[in-house]
Amino acid sequence: AQTVTQSQPEMSVQEAETVTLSCTYDTSESDYYLFWYKQPPSRQMILVIRQEAYKQQNATENRFSVNFQKAAKSFSLKISDSQLGDAAMYFCAYRSPTPMNRDDKIIFGKGTRLHILP
Amino acid sequence: KAGVTQTPRYLIKTRGQQVTLSCSPISGHRSVSWYQQTPGQGLQFLFEYFSETQRNKGNFPGRFSGRQFSNSRSEMNVSTLELGDSALYLCASSTLTGVSTDTQYFGPGTRLTVL
Repeated sequence: AQTVTQSQPEMSVQEAETVTLSCTYDTSESDYYLFWYKQPPSRQMILVIRQEAYKQQNATENRFSVNFQKAAKSFSLKISDSQLGDAAMYFCAYRSPTPMNRDDKIIFGKGTRLHILP
Repeated sequence: KAGVTQTPRYLIKTRGQQVTLSCSPISGHRSVSWYQQTPGQGLQFLFEYFSETQRNKGNFPGRFSGRQFSNSRSEMNVSTLELGDSALYLCASSTLTGVSTDTQYFGPGTRLTVL
């Protein structure tokens, strides 16, 4: 069964600095999707970034980028120029790409709470 | 486009009761998934519906059920509530073409408290 592990329950970073959140996963599949979601204190979950496993190029969305290491099964999120609005719980998630497979599920890590220090 | 909406936002029930939660997906989205979020277990997948059919189900007891209507709106039902069912229930919608896995967009959640 697939698993997703976020080893850092909490992290803090100074405003304007860079922080990296780690995520590792375990799977026997060769093709899959990985996501980072952000859940601010208001509770609405927001997609931050998405990576297709078949793509070697790391996904980037403005100040957010990932370091996808497929062989190591690692999917870390880098936030550059951290802003106060980045404070949230961040979840790493894995999804199988076979939509008609009844075992197809999305699996979330336990989350990393990120604090931004002014 | 309006986002995913969930009603009610807050709910208080007592043990043994049953509850129904509602989710309206983003217009044009045909897939709706439900998740339970608790401090201890984190986010856990409940089930997913696509075109009124349940595509897959997480490891939850049969007390948890759901359905999807022709307009893609979905309801989740929990019967015989237990204290451990207290959680934030999140709904997410996606386009799901059936070929690739599309991004899910989450609603604000329903906070259920079981006394």
